[in-house]
Amino acid sequence: EDKVVQSPLSLVVHEGDTVTLNCSYEVTNFRSLLWYKQEKKAPTFLFMLTSSGIEKKSGRLSSILDKKELFSILNITATQTGDSAVYLCAVEARAGNQFYFGTGTSLTVIP
Amino acid sequence: EAGVAQSPRYKIIEKRQSVAFWCNPISGHATLYWYQQILGQGPKLLIQFQNNGVVDDSQLPKDRFSAERLKGVDSTLKIQPAKLEDSAVYLCASSLAALNQPQHFGDGTRLSIL
Repeated sequence: EDKVVQSPLSLVVHEGDTVTLNCSYEVTNFRSLLWYKQEKKAPTFLFMLTSSGIEKKSGRLSSILDKKELFSILNITATQTGDSAVYLCAVEARAGNQFYFGTGTSLTVIP
Repeated sequence: EAGVAQSPRYKIIEKRQSVAFWCNPISGHATLYWYQQILGQGPKLLIQFQNNGVVDDSQLPKDRFSAERLKGVDSTLKIQPAKLEDSAVYLCASSLAALNQPQHFGDGTRLSIL
């Protein structure tokens, strides 16, 4: 059974801290791994990773994939209160654009 | 570019009643997904369409849930009859019909069953 596991489940940090969120997966026919940020509404797309070892970066956020060890990390540096959200990891698997989500990591950034 | 549109935003019904949700995907997106997100959990795929055909509905409780996408654009998801455990946010997403394309989500419909 395809599985996506995220850790930690929740995290509370102070503004300015750096955080690392983890996503491990067991899927057949891996296609890509995606990170989303979910505040009160719809998940918004952050990154899509398809190749090992190539860092994707957007401002203070970065992510990397390890296809050998079957995991990805999402880093956020110099956290701000606006980074408070649930961060979801999803894996695109099999041949039909099917996506499987982890339970998410709830990040709270305290001023 | 207009995003994925969903309605209604909120719905409160009593158990055993029926309810329907509507989704309009991003123009040109052939793939459409319905997810159920229970509080504190990640989205769970209910059904996936490619144009008006079903690609995957293995996790759809077919005794009470149904979905259609008759003209390959808009889609409706129906629950009849609703149970207490159906309380969740129902998210619709769409993507281009190609590999390695991200999904774009609507704001969801929050369903509460009394």
